[in-house]
Amino acid sequence: DVKVTQSSRYLVKRTGEKVFLECVQDMDHENMFWYRQDPGLGLRLIYFSYDVKMKEKGDIPEGYSVSREKKERFSLILESASTNQTSMYLCASSLGGDRGYNQPQHFGDGTRLSIL
Amino acid sequence: AQTVTQSQPEMSVQEAETVTLSCTYDTSENNYYLFWYKQPPSRQMILVIRQEAYKQQNATENRFSVNFQKAAKSFSLKISDSQLGDTAMYFCAFMNSNTGKLIFGQGTTLQVKP
Repeated sequence: DVKVTQSSRYLVKRTGEKVFLECVQDMDHENMFWYRQDPGLGLRLIYFSYDVKMKEKGDIPEGYSVSREKKERFSLILESASTNQTSMYLCASSLGGDRGYNQPQHFGDGTRLSIL
Repeated sequence: AQTVTQSQPEMSVQEAETVTLSCTYDTSENNYYLFWYKQPPSRQMILVIRQEAYKQQNATENRFSVNFQKAAKSFSLKISDSQLGDTAMYFCAFMNSNTGKLIFGQGTTLQVKP
């Protein structure tokens, strides 16, 4: 089974802090994704990556950056955390290699982040 | 831009009965994929069922089936013989075959009552 592991289930940080959310997958997937989940809004894509060192903006990238130095790891960075970034963050991965896919995404358990 | 709409924020059903969750989407693409994901309370999101747009036959997975109406851009999920373990939030999602990105609906919270 695919395992996508997010480093923390719950995290509390203060405004202005730099926050790192880590995600690791164990199935050699090319594609990795970061979403945030808010009530009534569903999941919204923040950033995604098709390969090591590659990244592309999703629908709501403002205030976030990402890093993918190794294939199995995809990090989400909040450069200067703000209260409107309080949310549930979900990481996902899928098979890839090029851009035309129907492969389902596999999700981690999520990190519930509170910014005080 | 593609959009996905789930118009039912909350639904409930009695155990062993059948329930249908609605989903509509908007796209100008002809080749795409549709998914239903399930997120149980405090647990991981998992894939329930998948439909390729070029296939006319509706997908089924055990007690879960879809009603895919391509012309109407509708993709509803039917859960038969509902079980307590079906209690979860359900998300409908659209995937553009060119980008591989998923676009999610707002979600429907389903409560199965004993």
